[in-house]
Amino acid sequence: DTAVSQTPKYLVTQMGNDKSIKCEQNLGHDTMYWYKQDSKKFLKIMFSYNNKELIINETVPNRFSPKSPDKAHLNLHINSLELGDSAVYFCASSQGSGGNQPQHFGDGTRLSIL
Amino acid sequence: SQQGEEDPQALSIQEGENATMNCSYKTSINNLQWYRQNSGRGLVHLILIRSNEREKHSGRLRVTLDTSKKSSSLLITASRAADTASYFCATALRGQNFVFGPGTRLSVLP
Repeated sequence: DTAVSQTPKYLVTQMGNDKSIKCEQNLGHDTMYWYKQDSKKFLKIMFSYNNKELIINETVPNRFSPKSPDKAHLNLHINSLELGDSAVYFCASSQGSGGNQPQHFGDGTRLSIL
Repeated sequence: SQQGEEDPQALSIQEGENATMNCSYKTSINNLQWYRQNSGRGLVHLILIRSNEREKHSGRLRVTLDTSKKSSSLLITASRAADTASYFCATALRGQNFVFGPGTRLSVLP
């Protein structure tokens, strides 16, 4: 009965490849997020979707493309992976946007680029 | 620079002692939240304190908010080894989503 689940947990791949990370939440929330956490633990928001609509799109290379097929799912596709993309990517969800409610996080996807 | 910044960056204490972490931010906020991250896991929400509140408790946690100084503190009383984690504050700007600080790494030694 995991609330926010991400797959895969680990992703090791070569530079230049394309990969996807999937996220699903069963909390009934209407807002989902993608965050990137670097090696120094800085957590930066990348994207936010509310009811399948993109509401936050921070300065992220257009190699990163989020897709929300429904309110419970938010996937992240990355094209032409680069060494600097190595990080932990977290999916999160909340009820409502605007930062007025707690966010629930998945356990992260550890992406390593060789 | 980060909207919320925790201080200290790292803290080591003995089991049973109290741990205090501070968070400073730069602009007006709707609320401030504290999260914990255990090694290899996602962030877990601890407490939300709204801009019109000054203090909030949850079990062994006490959070204060001083909007005049743009700062908040998280106190963990009677710490346990299981409290070893990174602690982050997150500020919600009006109409926008969270900005997380770089975190405080807490080590509780048995």
